[in-house]
Amino acid sequence: ETGVTQTPRHLVMGMTNKKSLKCEQHLGHNAMYWYKQSAKKPLELMFVYNFKEQTENNSVPSRFSPECPNSSHLFLHLHTLQPEDSALYLCASSPVRGGASDTQYFGPGTRLTVL
Amino acid sequence: GESVGLHLPTLSVQEGDNSIINCAYSNSASDYFIWYKQESGKGPQFIIDIRSNMDKRQGQRVTVLLNKTVKHLSLQIAATQPGDSAVYFCAEILSGSARQLTFGSGTQLTVLP
Repeated sequence: ETGVTQTPRHLVMGMTNKKSLKCEQHLGHNAMYWYKQSAKKPLELMFVYNFKEQTENNSVPSRFSPECPNSSHLFLHLHTLQPEDSALYLCASSPVRGGASDTQYFGPGTRLTVL
Repeated sequence: GESVGLHLPTLSVQEGDNSIINCAYSNSASDYFIWYKQESGKGPQFIIDIRSNMDKRQGQRVTVLLNKTVKHLSLQIAATQPGDSAVYFCAEILSGSARQLTFGSGTQLTVLP
């Protein structure tokens, strides 16, 4: 186990649904990340939070809304998604963003299917 | 295009043999590199990292080699085992304040019995 947990592990939702993905890290890190992993494509960085402040949004559509209430928890709120949003959503954490140790530790991911 | 790429999308090796997974990067300003392993149904798992002021780093059964002259990174796995079957990603971080991690598309390693 990497110390990063994600729930749910699998999610099937319709295009009109609203759902949330949850990530929790037990590593004492201060930076958290959301990535999207689609088949046969490199991991795509979506959002970065450093000390609870969003520092990066890589042109992600507004139907994805992140929330970071504290350094240990990260949410991804989903609404009116499209079938092409089906993917594995990965959460990661690192000690800080831009610090000496940049290694990111990943959770197991949430496999999302949008019908 | 992406700055990190892998030479081969798939690699098959016999159990017990050594594996070498290669990665090319294009940004000479990258100063930190990481290898991740991703098994089916799991998130990427950190294997080993190397900073640009080094050319070799060894871990348990794994060695990473960095050749900055040709911007090439490799991961060597000694005595490959069935549990090593996975997708392996290299990732780079550019020097500077952003420290964004850029991943390659991955190499599928299959260990044959």
